[in-house]
Amino acid sequence: EQLVESGGGLAQPGGSLRLSCVASGFPFRNYEMNWVRQAPGRGLEWVSHISDLVDTIYYADSVKGRFIISRDNAKNSLFLQINSLRAEDTAVYYCARPSQWHEGFDLWGQGTMVAVSS
Amino acid sequence: DIQMTQSPSSLSATVGDRVTITCRASQDIKNSLAWYQQKPGKAPKLLLYGASRLESGVPSRFTGIASGTDYVLTIGSLQPEDFASYYCQQYFNIPVTFGQGTRLEIK
Repeated sequence: EQLVESGGGLAQPGGSLRLSCVASGFPFRNYEMNWVRQAPGRGLEWVSHISDLVDTIYYADSVKGRFIISRDNAKNSLFLQINSLRAEDTAVYYCARPSQWHEGFDLWGQGTMVAVSS
Repeated sequence: DIQMTQSPSSLSATVGDRVTITCRASQDIKNSLAWYQQKPGKAPKLLLYGASRLESGVPSRFTGIASGTDYVLTIGSLQPEDFASYYCQQYFNIPVTFGQGTRLEIK
Protein backbone atom coordinates (compact mmCIF):
# COMPACT_ATOMS: atom_id res chain seq x y z
CA GLU A 1 0.00 0.00 0.00
CA GLN A 2 1.45 3.32 -1.04
CA LEU A 3 0.61 6.94 -1.78
CA VAL A 4 3.00 9.05 -3.86
CA GLU A 5 2.52 12.79 -4.23
CA SER A 6 3.98 15.05 -6.90
CA GLY A 7 3.46 18.46 -8.42
CA GLY A 8 4.87 20.70 -5.75
CA GLY A 9 7.37 23.45 -6.41
CA LEU A 10 8.03 27.17 -6.24
CA ALA A 11 5.21 29.44 -7.35
CA GLN A 12 4.52 33.14 -7.23
CA PRO A 13 1.74 34.70 -5.17
CA GLY A 14 -1.44 34.54 -7.18
CA GLY A 15 -0.19 31.58 -9.16
CA SER A 16 -1.45 28.02 -9.42
CA LEU A 17 -0.20 24.49 -8.95
CA ARG A 18 -1.77 21.07 -9.40
CA LEU A 19 -0.78 18.41 -6.93
CA SER A 20 -1.21 14.71 -7.66
CA CYS A 21 -1.29 11.64 -5.46
CA VAL A 22 -1.09 8.18 -7.01
CA ALA A 23 -2.27 5.24 -4.95
CA SER A 24 -1.18 1.64 -5.24
CA GLY A 25 -1.67 -1.63 -3.40
CA PHE A 26 -5.24 -1.07 -2.27
CA PRO A 27 -8.68 -0.49 -3.88
CA PHE A 28 -8.43 3.29 -4.20
CA ARG A 29 -11.94 3.61 -5.60
CA ASN A 30 -13.39 2.33 -2.30
CA TYR A 31 -11.76 4.93 -0.08
CA GLU A 32 -12.43 8.52 0.81
CA MET A 33 -9.28 10.63 0.62
CA ASN A 34 -7.90 13.78 2.19
CA TRP A 35 -5.21 16.40 1.78
CA VAL A 36 -3.35 17.59 4.89
CA ARG A 37 -0.64 20.25 4.93
CA GLN A 38 2.14 21.29 7.26
CA ALA A 39 3.79 24.69 7.09
CA PRO A 40 7.54 24.72 7.87
CA GLY A 41 8.06 24.16 11.58
CA ARG A 42 4.31 24.09 12.22
CA GLY A 43 1.63 21.56 12.98
CA LEU A 44 -0.74 19.59 10.80
CA GLU A 45 -3.69 21.26 9.08
CA TRP A 46 -6.45 19.36 7.32
CA VAL A 47 -7.16 20.90 3.90
CA SER A 48 -9.78 18.92 2.01
CA HIS A 49 -11.79 15.70 1.81
CA ILE A 50 -13.40 13.86 -1.08
CA SER A 51 -15.67 10.84 -0.84
CA ASP A 52 -15.10 7.66 -2.83
CA LEU A 53 -17.90 8.48 -5.29
CA VAL A 54 -17.12 12.22 -5.41
CA ASP A 55 -20.54 13.03 -3.98
CA THR A 56 -19.15 14.71 -0.89
CA ILE A 57 -16.38 17.31 -0.85
CA TYR A 58 -15.24 19.49 2.02
CA TYR A 59 -12.64 22.23 2.36
CA ALA A 60 -10.99 24.04 5.23
CA ASP A 61 -12.17 27.64 5.48
CA SER A 62 -8.60 28.79 4.80
CA VAL A 63 -8.66 27.33 1.27
CA LYS A 64 -12.33 27.42 0.33
CA GLY A 65 -12.87 29.07 -3.05
CA ARG A 66 -9.20 28.70 -4.02
CA PHE A 67 -8.48 24.95 -3.87
CA ILE A 68 -10.26 22.21 -5.79
CA ILE A 69 -10.01 18.55 -4.87
CA SER A 70 -10.75 15.87 -7.42
CA ARG A 71 -10.01 12.24 -8.19
CA ASP A 72 -9.78 9.79 -11.06
CA ASN A 73 -10.62 6.35 -9.74
CA ALA A 74 -9.71 4.73 -13.06
CA LYS A 75 -6.17 6.05 -12.61
CA ASN A 76 -5.98 5.58 -8.83
CA SER A 77 -5.24 9.27 -8.55
CA LEU A 78 -6.15 12.15 -6.26
CA PHE A 79 -5.60 15.78 -7.19
CA LEU A 80 -5.50 19.19 -5.55
CA GLN A 81 -5.73 22.26 -7.78
CA ILE A 82 -4.32 25.18 -5.83
CA ASN A 83 -5.21 28.62 -7.19
CA SER A 84 -4.62 32.19 -6.03
CA LEU A 85 -1.59 31.06 -4.06
CA ARG A 86 -0.65 32.98 -0.94
CA ALA A 87 2.53 32.99 1.12
CA GLU A 88 0.64 31.20 3.89
CA ASP A 89 0.00 28.25 1.55
CA THR A 90 3.70 27.39 1.76
CA ALA A 91 3.75 23.90 3.23
CA VAL A 92 4.33 20.22 2.66
CA TYR A 93 1.13 18.75 1.27
CA TYR A 94 0.28 15.16 2.16
CA CYS A 95 -2.45 12.97 0.76
CA ALA A 96 -3.89 10.74 3.47
CA ARG A 97 -6.25 7.79 3.51
CA PRO A 98 -8.77 7.22 6.32
CA SER A 99 -8.71 3.79 7.87
CA GLN A 100 -11.33 1.29 6.75
CA TRP A 101 -13.56 2.29 9.65
CA HIS A 102 -12.81 6.00 9.32
CA GLU A 103 -10.82 6.11 12.51
CA GLY A 104 -7.81 8.22 11.79
CA PHE A 105 -5.62 8.38 8.71
CA ASP A 106 -3.70 5.14 8.42
CA LEU A 107 -1.82 5.73 5.17
CA TRP A 108 0.07 8.87 4.19
CA GLY A 109 2.18 9.85 1.23
CA GLN A 110 5.69 11.22 1.62
CA GLY A 111 4.48 14.76 0.91
CA THR A 112 5.19 17.35 -1.76
CA MET A 113 6.52 20.82 -0.92
CA VAL A 114 4.78 23.95 -2.14
CA ALA A 115 6.69 27.20 -1.71
CA VAL A 116 5.03 30.51 -2.51
CA SER A 117 7.37 33.43 -3.00
CA SER A 118 7.97 36.30 -5.35
CA ASP B 1 -15.03 23.71 14.53
CA ILE B 2 -13.80 21.49 17.34
CA GLN B 3 -10.64 22.83 18.97
CA MET B 4 -8.01 20.40 20.22
CA THR B 5 -5.75 21.83 22.91
CA GLN B 6 -2.61 19.73 23.28
CA SER B 7 -0.06 19.98 26.06
CA PRO B 8 2.78 20.27 26.65
CA SER B 9 4.14 21.82 23.45
CA SER B 10 7.54 20.35 24.22
CA LEU B 11 8.92 17.79 26.62
CA SER B 12 12.42 16.64 27.55
CA ALA B 13 12.91 13.10 28.79
CA THR B 14 15.45 10.29 28.91
CA VAL B 15 15.36 6.71 27.69
CA GLY B 16 13.28 4.62 30.06
CA ASP B 17 11.11 7.49 31.26
CA ARG B 18 7.33 7.34 31.27
CA VAL B 19 5.77 10.38 29.57
CA THR B 20 2.26 11.64 29.06
CA ILE B 21 0.76 14.00 26.51
CA THR B 22 -2.74 15.41 26.85
CA CYS B 23 -5.33 16.69 24.40
CA ARG B 24 -8.53 18.41 25.46
CA ALA B 25 -11.40 18.68 23.01
CA SER B 26 -13.64 21.74 23.00
CA GLN B 27 -16.70 19.48 22.96
CA ASP B 28 -17.61 15.82 23.30
CA ILE B 29 -15.98 13.85 20.49
CA LYS B 30 -17.07 10.44 21.76
CA ASN B 31 -13.58 8.94 21.70
CA SER B 32 -13.11 9.82 18.01
CA LEU B 33 -9.47 10.59 18.72
CA ALA B 34 -6.29 9.45 17.03
CA TRP B 35 -2.64 9.91 17.99
CA TYR B 36 0.19 10.28 15.47
CA GLN B 37 3.97 10.21 15.68
CA GLN B 38 5.99 12.29 13.25
CA LYS B 39 9.75 12.26 12.76
CA PRO B 40 11.59 15.08 10.99
CA GLY B 41 11.09 15.02 7.23
CA LYS B 42 8.62 12.15 7.42
CA ALA B 43 4.87 11.78 7.19
CA PRO B 44 2.84 11.26 10.35
CA LYS B 45 2.29 7.68 11.49
CA LEU B 46 -0.94 6.53 13.10
CA LEU B 47 -0.33 5.15 16.60
CA LEU B 48 -3.75 4.84 18.21
CA TYR B 49 -7.36 5.41 17.20
CA GLY B 50 -10.63 5.35 19.06
CA ALA B 51 -8.70 7.00 21.89
CA SER B 52 -7.18 3.72 23.09
CA ARG B 53 -6.91 1.19 20.28
CA LEU B 54 -3.41 0.39 19.10
CA GLU B 55 -2.74 0.47 15.37
CA SER B 56 -1.26 -2.75 14.02
CA GLY B 57 2.48 -2.93 14.48
CA VAL B 58 2.70 -0.18 17.10
CA PRO B 59 4.54 -1.21 20.31
CA SER B 60 2.43 -1.81 23.38
CA ARG B 61 4.34 0.83 25.37
CA PHE B 62 2.04 3.34 23.64
CA THR B 63 -1.31 3.55 25.42
CA GLY B 64 -4.24 5.93 25.31
CA ILE B 65 -7.07 6.74 27.67
CA ALA B 66 -10.06 9.04 27.64
CA SER B 67 -11.75 10.91 30.44
CA GLY B 68 -14.60 13.13 29.36
CA THR B 69 -13.13 15.53 26.82
CA ASP B 70 -9.55 14.83 27.93
CA TYR B 71 -7.41 12.33 26.07
CA VAL B 72 -4.01 11.12 27.23
CA LEU B 73 -1.21 9.41 25.35
CA THR B 74 1.30 7.60 27.54
CA ILE B 75 4.61 6.15 26.43
CA GLY B 76 5.42 3.56 29.06
CA SER B 77 9.21 3.36 28.76
CA LEU B 78 10.81 5.68 26.27
CA GLN B 79 12.98 4.12 23.62
CA PRO B 80 15.49 6.05 21.47
CA GLU B 81 13.22 5.80 18.43
CA ASP B 82 10.35 7.49 20.31
CA PHE B 83 11.92 10.94 20.26
CA ALA B 84 9.69 12.68 17.75
CA SER B 85 6.66 14.96 17.54
CA TYR B 86 3.21 13.75 18.53
CA TYR B 87 -0.18 15.01 17.41
CA CYS B 88 -3.72 14.25 18.43
CA GLN B 89 -6.56 14.45 15.92
CA GLN B 90 -10.31 14.45 16.33
CA TYR B 91 -12.30 12.81 13.54
CA PHE B 92 -15.73 13.15 15.15
CA ASN B 93 -16.72 15.64 12.48
CA ILE B 94 -15.38 17.66 9.60
CA PRO B 95 -13.25 19.66 9.65
CA VAL B 96 -11.03 17.11 11.34
CA THR B 97 -8.70 19.05 13.58
CA PHE B 98 -5.29 18.40 15.06
CA GLY B 99 -3.69 19.43 18.30
CA GLN B 100 -0.78 21.83 18.09
CA GLY B 101 1.74 19.04 18.61
CA THR B 102 4.21 17.97 21.27
CA ARG B 103 7.91 17.81 20.53
CA LEU B 104 9.54 15.08 22.60
CA GLU B 105 13.25 15.68 22.97
CA ILE B 106 16.12 13.86 24.61
CA LYS B 107 17.12 15.41 27.91
